[in-house]
Amino acid sequence: QKEVEQNSGPLSVPEGAIASLNCTYSDRGSQSFFWYRQYSGKSPELIMFIYSNGDKEDGRFTAQLNKASQYVSLLIRDSQPSDSATYLCAGGDSNYQLIWGAGTKLIIKP
Amino acid sequence: GAGVSQSPRYKVAKRGQDVALRCDPISGHVSLFWYQQALGQGPEFLTYFQNEAQLDKSGLPSDRFFAERPEGSVSTLKIQRTQQEDSAVYLCASISRQGNTGELFFGEGSRLTVL
Repeated sequence: QKEVEQNSGPLSVPEGAIASLNCTYSDRGSQSFFWYRQYSGKSPELIMFIYSNGDKEDGRFTAQLNKASQYVSLLIRDSQPSDSATYLCAGGDSNYQLIWGAGTKLIIKP
Repeated sequence: GAGVSQSPRYKVAKRGQDVALRCDPISGHVSLFWYQQALGQGPEFLTYFQNEAQLDKSGLPSDRFFAERPEGSVSTLKIQRTQQEDSAVYLCASISRQGNTGELFFGEGSRLTVL
């Protein structure tokens, strides 16, 4: 069974520090990986996507993909209280289906 | 419209009732997805439409669940004879391109509570 695993947290990080979120996946056929942010009671919204091994940076966010080790990570620099949310990792192959993790709850402490 | 719109936002049903959940995707978006999200879990795929064609319904948990998109825009997810285990948030999402994965635009969801 294809799975995406995330630590449920909560992960508590001081304001201004780097938050590191991790995700592992079981399906070696997965080619595309996504990080979605979900505020409590709201719908998921896309933060970043990554297709290739290595790092991808967008503002305060960096996504990292290591296909050999089958893990994806998201780094948030200069963490802000507004970053407090649940972060969902999702992966898929060339198909349209995504396999979603259960999410990591991130708390940024002022 | 500006975003994906879902209605009702909240629905309370007695066990055994039928419910219908509506999704109005972003105008022009070809692909439409329904997901089920239980509390504390990630979204679980239910079904996928490309225009009016339902290309995959493998995620529908039972034959009590039915989805349609007759004109390739608005979609309805119907649940017959609701059970308590159907309680969840039902998310609709759309993307503009055919056959693409990810980069989904989600609606606010319909929270179903079955008593």
